[in-house]
Amino acid sequence: GIQVEQSPPDLILQEGANSTLRCNFSDSVNNLQWFHQNPWGQLINLFYIPSGTKQNGRLSATTVATERYSLLYISSSQTTDSGVYFCAVSGTYNTDKLIFGTGTRLQVFP
Amino acid sequence: DSGVTQTPKHLITATGQRVTLRCSPRSGDLSVYWYQQSLDQGLQFLIQYYNGEERAKGNILERFSAQQFPDLHSELNLSSLELGDSALYFCASSEGQGGYEQYFGPGTRLTVT
Repeated sequence: GIQVEQSPPDLILQEGANSTLRCNFSDSVNNLQWFHQNPWGQLINLFYIPSGTKQNGRLSATTVATERYSLLYISSSQTTDSGVYFCAVSGTYNTDKLIFGTGTRLQVFP
Repeated sequence: DSGVTQTPKHLITATGQRVTLRCSPRSGDLSVYWYQQSLDQGLQFLIQYYNGEERAKGNILERFSAQQFPDLHSELNLSSLELGDSALYFCASSEGQGGYEQYFGPGTRLTVT
């Protein structure tokens, strides 16, 4: 099945800093989503981005499907950005189930 | 708020017991998915239903079963519970099948003692 790798596993930032999270996947995908899991355990949809570039406020994401990676950019980080960021994909042959990476744990300090 | 609702939020039960988790998808969504998040296994897909029919199965134990009802809500039944079944169980929904964005509910935190 598809393998999903996220890096870095942990990230510690001061408020106001920028960061880039990476997601590599091992096969063609028809769905790629980025999620933020907050300290209460909720999974928040950030982006649905099987290809291309999207922006939402301080967050943006780019997926280069031909090279099998996606990047999540967080600018001017805030303490509320803390939590775990997951990348999840579904493959074109097994189209529906999402396969999750192990996540990037982000801590933002004031 | 994703529009997906799950009940209960928390559940504490003893080994050997049976519990039922409930999920209501977003209005108009036909697909429902169940995922399990445990400390040692991460987030894993369990099962998917589309418009009442089972669509795909993942690493779901035989002690677990699910169904989707005509009103599209879904239930996940966990029986003969073991300590290792303690986890966060998420329900997600999507408009259709095949690459649609999935929206996740708030989860049910199950603790087996």
